[in-house]
Amino acid sequence: GEDVEQSLFLSVREGDSSVINCTYTDSSSTYLYWYKQEPGAGLQLLTYIFSNMDMKQDQRLTVLLNKKDKHLSLRIADTQTGDSAIYFCAESTRGGSYIPTFGRGTSLIVHP
Amino acid sequence: KAGVTQTPRYLIKTRGQQVTLSCSPISGHRSVSWYQQTPGQGLQFLFEYFSETQRNKGNFPGRFSGRQFSNSRSEMNVSTLELGDSALYLCASSLTTGGSEQYFGPGTRLTVT
Repeated sequence: GEDVEQSLFLSVREGDSSVINCTYTDSSSTYLYWYKQEPGAGLQLLTYIFSNMDMKQDQRLTVLLNKKDKHLSLRIADTQTGDSAIYFCAESTRGGSYIPTFGRGTSLIVHP
Repeated sequence: KAGVTQTPRYLIKTRGQQVTLSCSPISGHRSVSWYQQTPGQGLQFLFEYFSETQRNKGNFPGRFSGRQFSNSRSEMNVSTLELGDSALYLCASSLTTGGSEQYFGPGTRLTVT
């Protein structure tokens, strides 16, 4: 199976919170990342968390890590139409030379 | 500070031809990684270069090669193009190797006909 799994789609109303979930299999994951990709563009690093952290907050973004369940989530508060994009979860390990392994991406659709 | 630039942005080639893509990293960044993005396989790592040396390589055939120059600019080459090579090729730069933050370019969209 996939090393990093994400649901494919999420639809939310403007102003609501969005929660994008991700599960990974490698218990030795050191870094866990969230990237955003807008149409026709490359990936933008939104935030990352070290595996020894449970939570990281950065303005409207909150990352939660449950290491026991190997579950990572990205919460976007007050979601705006400009947040519509594909969000990629990724993990990297020292044993993997810190090369990130990406999920397939979650397409977030924000409607008015 | 200028971001990662990739040229060309779009490219159409015919099966059997070869192609060279270019990536200029952020000034001061010495590591460049290449990824292939397709709807079927998602994002897959091709290779990483640091200080003109290939440090890591993904699971791609030998038709895919790359190099890095002394100014950290990198090129990747694909020989004997196949239809399945049609993809978005993304370059990412980072200060150093081994876990530092990667910044991606906009990609080169390659279409093989």
